[in-house]
Amino acid sequence: DVKVTQSSRYLVKRTGEKVFLECVQDMDHENMFWYRQDPGLGLRLIYFSYDVKMKEKGDIPEGYSVSREKKERFSLILESASTNQTSMYLCASSFYQQGAYQPQHFGDGTRLSIL
Amino acid sequence: TQLLEQSPQFLSIQEGENLTVYCNSSSVFSSLQWYRQEPGEGPVLLVTVVTGGEVKKLKRLTFQFGDARKDSSLHITAAQPGDTGLYLCAGTEVGDMRFGAGTRLTVKP
Repeated sequence: DVKVTQSSRYLVKRTGEKVFLECVQDMDHENMFWYRQDPGLGLRLIYFSYDVKMKEKGDIPEGYSVSREKKERFSLILESASTNQTSMYLCASSFYQQGAYQPQHFGDGTRLSIL
Repeated sequence: TQLLEQSPQFLSIQEGENLTVYCNSSSVFSSLQWYRQEPGEGPVLLVTVVTGGEVKKLKRLTFQFGDARKDSSLHITAAQPGDTGLYLCAGTEVGDMRFGAGTRLTVKP
């Protein structure tokens, strides 16, 4: 089974702090994704990566950056955390086949609170 | 940008009842996935449908992909409290995958 592991289930930080969310997958997937999930808004894509050191902006990249130095690890960085970044953050991975993304496998999420 | 609309947004039923939730779009998808997410966990893939008109069954869950591959439905027979969760649909096109906002289902014993 695919395992996607997020480093923290719950995290509390203060406004202005630099926050790192880590995600590791064990299935050698090319693609990795970071979403945030808010009530009534569903999953919104922040950034994704289709290869090591490659990244693409999703729908809501403002205030975030990412790092993919190794294939199995994808990090989300909040450069200067703000209260409107309080949310559930979900990491996912998938592989690419026949011109399409295959179904994504998700981690258990990190519930981040910014005070 | 594709938009996936799920309905209803919330559904609360008694154990043993049947229900159907819907996922609709104006876009055509190459495939569509259904996920279930329980509180405090990430979404877990239930099924992928690929062919227009396709019907897949997973125990008491029946998934259907519309003939035009723009919509899908999930029918649950004799719902149980263990079916409680957020049901998400996701549509895939070449180079892109989009999620609906989900249907939050509560099955009361």
